[in-house]
Amino acid sequence: DTEVTQTPKHLVMGMTNKKSLKCEQHMGHRAMYWYKQKAKKPPELMFVYSYEKLSINESVPSRFSPECPNSSLLNLHLHALQPEDSALYLCASSQDGDPLSEQYFGPGTRLTVT
Amino acid sequence: GQQLNQSPQSMFIQEGEDVSMNCTSSSIFNTWLWYKQDPGEGPVLLIALYKAGELTSNGRLTAQFGITRKDSFLNISASIPSDVGIYFCAGSTITDSWGKLQFGAGTQVVVTP
Repeated sequence: DTEVTQTPKHLVMGMTNKKSLKCEQHMGHRAMYWYKQKAKKPPELMFVYSYEKLSINESVPSRFSPECPNSSLLNLHLHALQPEDSALYLCASSQDGDPLSEQYFGPGTRLTVT
Repeated sequence: GQQLNQSPQSMFIQEGEDVSMNCTSSSIFNTWLWYKQDPGEGPVLLIALYKAGELTSNGRLTAQFGITRKDSFLNISASIPSDVGIYFCAGSTITDSWGKLQFGAGTQVVVTP
């Protein structure tokens, strides 16, 4: 089973709203990732959690706040977003934070900021 | 920093034809991954390569890790309509920070009946 699930599938929010994206995996993976993807572009790394600790923050604005409650769950809290933040947000996981290990992606959350 | 050059950018092919795409890097990679992404979905891992010269197949897909460790190619044989999508190569080295993959820009494949 190589399934990563994400909720919601679609999200529309205003610039003053607070919302959260959720990601879950049950593969026993110890590294989880958030990516942002614009149309027809490759995914761009935002955050990496390794063994439930934040190991990489790619200089992401503070209006995006990640949280890893346990090894199976990853959240992305959103607050005061801008229209240019509209994108597909992808969660991924890998066995550990080893850069050589395979990453498995979820289906993504399509976010629209109005 | 490292850059991955993926080509071609797009391909329009007829059903039944073979497809070939490749990625090159300015630096040596230790891992090459190939993903396919359908519209509105997340990338799906097709093939993972870990050794220089490695040739791996997954059904009609074949990928190779170049001998120089700076390139990889993906072939799709006898294309079918469901092969439509964007294919991304991705690579990493043991010197990368934890979990950082470099992605190519993608190859969009369109299959016509």
